[in-house]
Amino acid sequence: NAGVTQTPKFQVLKTGQSMTLQCAQDMNHNSMYWYRQDPGMGLRLIYYSASEGTTDKGEVPNGYNVSRLNKREFSLRLESAAPSQTSVYFCASSELTQGVGTIYFGEGSWLTVV
Amino acid sequence: KNEVEQSPQNLTAQEGEFITINCSYSVGISALHWLQQHPGGGIVSLFMLSSGKKKHGRLIATINIQEKHSSLHITASHPRDSAVYICAVVSNFGNEKLTFGTGTRLTIIP
Repeated sequence: NAGVTQTPKFQVLKTGQSMTLQCAQDMNHNSMYWYRQDPGMGLRLIYYSASEGTTDKGEVPNGYNVSRLNKREFSLRLESAAPSQTSVYFCASSELTQGVGTIYFGEGSWLTVV
Repeated sequence: KNEVEQSPQNLTAQEGEFITINCSYSVGISALHWLQQHPGGGIVSLFMLSSGKKKHGRLIATINIQEKHSSLHITASHPRDSAVYICAVVSNFGNEKLTFGTGTRLTIIP
């Protein structure tokens, strides 16, 4: 079972470069998420998609854009990377009803911006 | 003050010890999740609680809704339990977004 697949696993960017993190899930979930994880901080929500065609900003959306291409795929784009975006990024999907259910995470993408 | 607070931040114990990790939250919630993050980075869901207690193998999770507190217990701890344990809550405001604690890093020494 693939679950949630995100790519790439590692990436080094120069300041100002752009890149897209790809995420796909095979569980037919409506909800998908992008988080970033920084040392000493909990996972923070960047963007959230409750269903195909809808996206909402999370806690830390600045510098990012997202696309919910279809029910399976939810991509995160950095248009002009900055060193402050050096982080570990996690994609997740779930089918929560009033918080009840299971959330599934991808393996993480380690991004370094120099 | 963070909406979700975990304690301790770091915990080192000997193999076989009984482990308790605590999570306190300040908002009304519809559910609380316990997650485990392995040293390689992968995150897996352990429990989802909306009331009471759940048990899976050597892991037990409890929640007290009135006190806004949850605990994760590990009995007969083993080095393979070494990981970061993360508490996350879903508020009862109607959306399905999780708010995460900063995690507890557990190290079990053989």
